[in-house]
Amino acid sequence: QQQVKQSPQSLIVQKGGIPIINCAYENTAFDYFPWYQQFPGKGPALLIAIRPDVSEKKEGRFTISFNKSAKQFSLHIMDSQPGDSATYFCAADIGLNSGYSTLTFGKGTMLLVSP
Amino acid sequence: EAGVTQFPSHSVIEKGQTVTLRCDPISGHDNLYWYRRVMGKEIKFLLHFVKESKQDESGMPNNRFLAERTGGTYSTLKVQPAELEDSGVYFCASSQDTTFRPDTQYFGPGTRLTVL
Repeated sequence: QQQVKQSPQSLIVQKGGIPIINCAYENTAFDYFPWYQQFPGKGPALLIAIRPDVSEKKEGRFTISFNKSAKQFSLHIMDSQPGDSATYFCAADIGLNSGYSTLTFGKGTMLLVSP
Repeated sequence: EAGVTQFPSHSVIEKGQTVTLRCDPISGHDNLYWYRRVMGKEIKFLLHFVKESKQDESGMPNNRFLAERTGGTYSTLKVQPAELEDSGVYFCASSQDTTFRPDTQYFGPGTRLTVL
């Protein structure tokens, strides 16, 4: 079964809008939640990440909101630009205090920001 | 600094044939990961090398898949014989050191495999 559920599958917003991508997880052992951004022809690249001991993290125009009790987290893109058009993947990692990383990804959201 | 590179970028083979994918991690990165994304699905973990040793291969679909990392540098992923359901994009990622967590995984551009 899918351990990280991501929605929506695709999203179209106008320039300046605030797209929101949501993810939910079941496994309470997850302790690190990164978001990856992927442009066509490229591999996913780490965009921003959060640990479950904080409820929000902001880096530039990108913000993660985290709700530990609901086991949900979301990505907000403020003042979105056409250059933000990409596929976004949420992910969850287990064992922050252990030696090894294993990422579990959502299915991805294709974002199109129209000019 | 060069990023993670993968070869080939595309491969089209017929069912029953053999294909070998190659990944060159970022120089000095001990950790190397293989992932696969089937169209429309999530990116799924296949396995993890620490230097030349397999740390975790729990995601490998079956024994038609063989991964190696001789000398702890580049890695190969062989599929033999290929089946239709093996089609997808195979990503390789590397990270420097998991002593200080979290370690950032840097992904290659992927190899798109099509099995006809």
